Amino acid sequence: AQSVTQLDSHVSVSEGTPVLLRCNYSSSYSPSLFWYVQHPNKGLQLLLKYTSAATLVKGINGFEAEFKKSETSFHLTKPSAHMSDAAEYFCVVRINTGGFKTIFGAGTRLFVKA
Amino acid sequence: EAGVVQSPRYKIIEKKQPVAFWCNPISGHNTLYWYRQNLGQGPELLIRYENEEAVDDSQLPKDRFSAERLKGVDSTLKIQPAELGDSAVYLCASSKVAGKGYQETQYFGPGTRLLVL
Repeated sequence: AQSVTQLDSHVSVSEGTPVLLRCNYSSSYSPSLFWYVQHPNKGLQLLLKYTSAATLVKGINGFEAEFKKSETSFHLTKPSAHMSDAAEYFCVVRINTGGFKTIFGAGTRLFVKA
Repeated sequence: EAGVVQSPRYKIIEKKQPVAFWCNPISGHNTLYWYRQNLGQGPELLIRYENEEAVDDSQLPKDRFSAERLKGVDSTLKIQPAELGDSAVYLCASSKVAGKGYQETQYFGPGTRLLVL
């Protein structure tokens, strides 16, 4: 069965310190992997995606993620957190099982302290 | 380029009443998705359209939910009758389908927040 696990429901960092949001997946198929951010009362915005090209993917707002097949992970990082990064982050797996299947993680709420 | 448009943004109804949500996808996007997002959880797919055809509605509770996408553009999601447990945010998304569709980015609308009393 396919699944996505975001290992932390909440992460709290101080402004200017690094951010690490962890995501592990399980899939029998080659996946595409996405990170989305959701600010309060807003729609989901794509941060970055991996689609079988370079394993280190750079996204918007200074975020990046590395696809590690051996660890089945796709962790999201940012060198220096900004107050505006406070939001909910979702890791998403999409696979082709004959039809396209999309699986969202449960989300990680990022808090940024001044 | 305009994004995915949804209306209404908020809806409060009493249980057993009907409710409908509308979505206008990004121009040129063949694929349209409806998701339900319960509080504190990730979105779950309800239905996916490719053009006007519903190609995945396996998670749609068909006893009370229905959807349509006339002419392969706008879509409407309906609940009749609504239950307390239907309170959630209903998200619409769209994407192009070209080649490996599972690699395509989904673009999300702002959602409709439904409260059933």
